[in-house]
Amino acid sequence: DTAVSQTPKYLVTQMGNDKSIKCEQNLGHDTMYWYKQDSKKFLKIMFSYNNKELIINETVPNRFSPKSPDKAHLNLHINSLELGDSAVYFCASSQAPEQFFGPGTRLTVL
Amino acid sequence: SQQGEEDPQALSIQEGENATMNCSYKTSINNLQWYRQNSGRGLVHLILIRSNEREKHSGRLRVTLDTSKKSSSLLITASRAADTASYFCATDSIQGAQKLVFGQGTRLTINP
Repeated sequence: DTAVSQTPKYLVTQMGNDKSIKCEQNLGHDTMYWYKQDSKKFLKIMFSYNNKELIINETVPNRFSPKSPDKAHLNLHINSLELGDSAVYFCASSQAPEQFFGPGTRLTVL
Repeated sequence: SQQGEEDPQALSIQEGENATMNCSYKTSINNLQWYRQNSGRGLVHLILIRSNEREKHSGRLRVTLDTSKKSSSLLITASRAADTASYFCATDSIQGAQKLVFGQGTRLTINP
């Protein structure tokens, strides 16, 4: 069974639309993360939740809103998508220090 | 600001040779980790070295850490075609133990 899963794997959408990416982990970890990987492969943390509470919120536009309904799920909602949002978004979970990554969601904004 | 920086950015070697990748970082750390990313996939944890350790081995992997130089190296011995991937170092600082900061990675290609 997949430890950290994300849906969808690919997301192609128009500028201005709102979209969500879902993440689930079955590892029983307390902490989950969202990362953005740009076209140059640079991976940067966006958010982190510990047991449903936001603990890391990097300099990310307000258009990005994470939601953690329970500690096994961390979803990412993006409003008013822009061209620069095109990237691969990775979810990860951790019981520290090692992190387990999902397969990624490739978002393309046209 | 970017914490880890890998060197070289790309490395191409023949199968069976050893591959060495380097990572430099800027702030004091708790741990340094190395991850592998196959094309189109998520990152996979390879090995962790703590700030009070100097060297660690795991199978064909050898990691060194020099905290005085704020640098680490990853050596893959007897490389295989399946080792072709991007390799990233990641550090967590003393202040933010659960926040990993990644470098831009080394793209390793093993030629058969």
